[in-house]
Amino acid sequence: SQQGEEDPQALSIQEGENATMNCSYKTSINNLQWYRQNSGRGLVHLILIRSNEREKHSGRLRVTLDTSKKSSSLLITASRAADTASYFCATGGNQGGKLIFGQGTELSVKP
Amino acid sequence: NAGVTQTPKFQVLKTGQSMTLQCAQDMNHEYMSWYRQDPGMGLRLIHYSVGAGITDQGEVPNGYNVSRSTTEDFPLRLLSAAPSQTSVYFCASSAPRQRNNEQFFGPGTRLTVL
Repeated sequence: SQQGEEDPQALSIQEGENATMNCSYKTSINNLQWYRQNSGRGLVHLILIRSNEREKHSGRLRVTLDTSKKSSSLLITASRAADTASYFCATGGNQGGKLIFGQGTELSVKP
Repeated sequence: NAGVTQTPKFQVLKTGQSMTLQCAQDMNHEYMSWYRQDPGMGLRLIHYSVGAGITDQGEVPNGYNVSRSTTEDFPLRLLSAAPSQTSVYFCASSAPRQRNNEQFFGPGTRLTVL
């Protein structure tokens, strides 16, 4: 069974709006990562947040982590058409190399 | 650096055939993993390796074999292909001690089993 559940499954917004995606997980984690996948391509790492961190920023990305609720959110501010992609959360435990992925959120940003 | 490379990009097999999906990385990463991606299912871990000579099963290992004789290569073998193995396969590598397990993905192999 997969660790992460993502919400919503699909999100459609206009360029310039903010996009928020949520991820919930089941077991204790060492870190949580977000990846982006453009259609037909491999995944690209966006940002990592450790279990002892609550918030992290990278450019237009903001990630929060609430370990008490076993949930994380990814906010993309001022979205662009180029942000159109699928976004996945992935949780890592103490077993290095083993990441468990959520089912993903499909984001569509309309120009 | 080429990063993570996968061959072939596309493959069509008949039920019962065997084949090997190739994966190589030139970043000297310790960890390598194989995932399959099916519509609506996200990525599911098939097998992973924490170093040369060491492999372990992931979430969906049945029907697949792996070996890790070198740090660079991590081939995935389908022993007797079944239509249920039609999927897109991704290989990934990481170096947990350096980059906290950020994974680098290959471009994928799209496999169809008839």
